[in-house]
Amino acid sequence: GNSVTQMEGPVTLSEEAFLTINCTYTATGYPSLFWYVQYPGEGLQLLLKATKADDKGSNKGFEATYRKETTSFHLEKGSVQVSDSAVYFCALYHNQGGKLIFGQGTELSVKP
Amino acid sequence: DAGVIQSPRHEVTEMGQEVTLRCKPISGHDYLFWYRQTMMRGLELLIYFNNNVPIDDSGMPEDRFSAKMPNASFSTLKIQPSEPRDSAVYFCASSLPGTRTDTQYFGPGTRLTVL
Repeated sequence: GNSVTQMEGPVTLSEEAFLTINCTYTATGYPSLFWYVQYPGEGLQLLLKATKADDKGSNKGFEATYRKETTSFHLEKGSVQVSDSAVYFCALYHNQGGKLIFGQGTELSVKP
Repeated sequence: DAGVIQSPRHEVTEMGQEVTLRCKPISGHDYLFWYRQTMMRGLELLIYFNNNVPIDDSGMPEDRFSAKMPNASFSTLKIQPSEPRDSAVYFCASSLPGTRTDTQYFGPGTRLTVL
């Protein structure tokens, strides 16, 4: 079945460091892929998305490229800030059943 | 526009009591989702509705859990009787029509503690 696997956290970085959070997926066909972010004490919110192979989603300095050949959608940011501290969820939507499949989440902590 | 509204934000109850969580989706959204989040199990989809009709309730853990959506602007998740293992944060989310349910808008959650 469809599934999403993320790198385990927590990830701790210093401010201005480069960030990569790995995400791989298993699905038939061509799912849409997403990154959601959950700040402390809040619900999840959409960060970026890509709907077809080789698409790049971007928002707030974050980027992720839909790689069909490696079934991956890694999240990157060139210079993280303390305010980026949150839990990041990778997810896929496949047109079967109408629901999102979420990864387990990766906690990011950025220290000043 | 107001976002997804959930109430209460915090609920503390004793084992065996009935608990009702409430959700008001964003106006015009026709999909509504209920999730549960715990440290051990992560984020789990419990049930979702389309146009007030339950589509998939396979994530509902057992018969103690029930969900209703009597109209387009209101949904409830009820646990009766509650147990300590039900302690979690419960999120409601809604999504726009015609977007294949991808962009879901989450509420702030209800933190439930069952003693």
